[in-house]
Amino acid sequence: SYELTQPPSVSVSPGQTARITCSGDALPKQYAYWYQQKPGQAPVLVIFRDTERPSGIPERFSGASSGATVTLTVSGVQAEDEADYYCQSTDSSGFHVIFGGGTKLTVL
Amino acid sequence: EVQLVQSGAEVKKPGESLKIPCKTSGYDFSRYWIGWVRQVPGKGLEWMGIIYPGDSDTKYSPSFQGQVTISADKSISTAYLQWSSLKASDTAMYYCGRLQLTTATNYFDYWGQGTPVTVSS
Repeated sequence: SYELTQPPSVSVSPGQTARITCSGDALPKQYAYWYQQKPGQAPVLVIFRDTERPSGIPERFSGASSGATVTLTVSGVQAEDEADYYCQSTDSSGFHVIFGGGTKLTVL
Repeated sequence: EVQLVQSGAEVKKPGESLKIPCKTSGYDFSRYWIGWVRQVPGKGLEWMGIIYPGDSDTKYSPSFQGQVTISADKSISTAYLQWSSLKASDTAMYYCGRLQLTTATNYFDYWGQGTPVTVSS
């Protein structure tokens, strides 16, 4: 079965850059997406199609793709960015969604 | 404005049935896939399955096939997630979401606020 692997946690100080990786065999062939989830809230899309940012998402959020790894970068991290971040892609059928295990971003 | 509104908390006993709604507005309900996602307390997101309300085409995760039923009522722009016999292990938050599903893309662009389900004797 297809899996996406994320680090369980990433910690940075305010103003620094946080990078969260997501690895999976299908990523060279399927787009990746990123969601932010704060405690008690529904997920929010922050990156789609590897690198695109939805309207309303701050410019400090960016995405990159290289082979079987995609990366979410949060530049100039703010306290409000502390959250769980999930990568998502699809299997070869294009219908079945796969989520990574999630990464907790802690702002020190 | 696109909105997906889910119902309030449910507390059920093992073996009971449950059907939770996801009422949508602000777009053409028949033309977008709707998906359901489970989140067990303290754990990650799990994709359960999707439905295309236009023709009720439905696809399930192997993990949830046979365990739940996804349906939709176009007349009231509402999707549903249903259990016939709940288990304690079904205790979780359940989110619905609208999908941007094309030949090249598949992602949730709007989410409901979630329905917490507790199954306990």
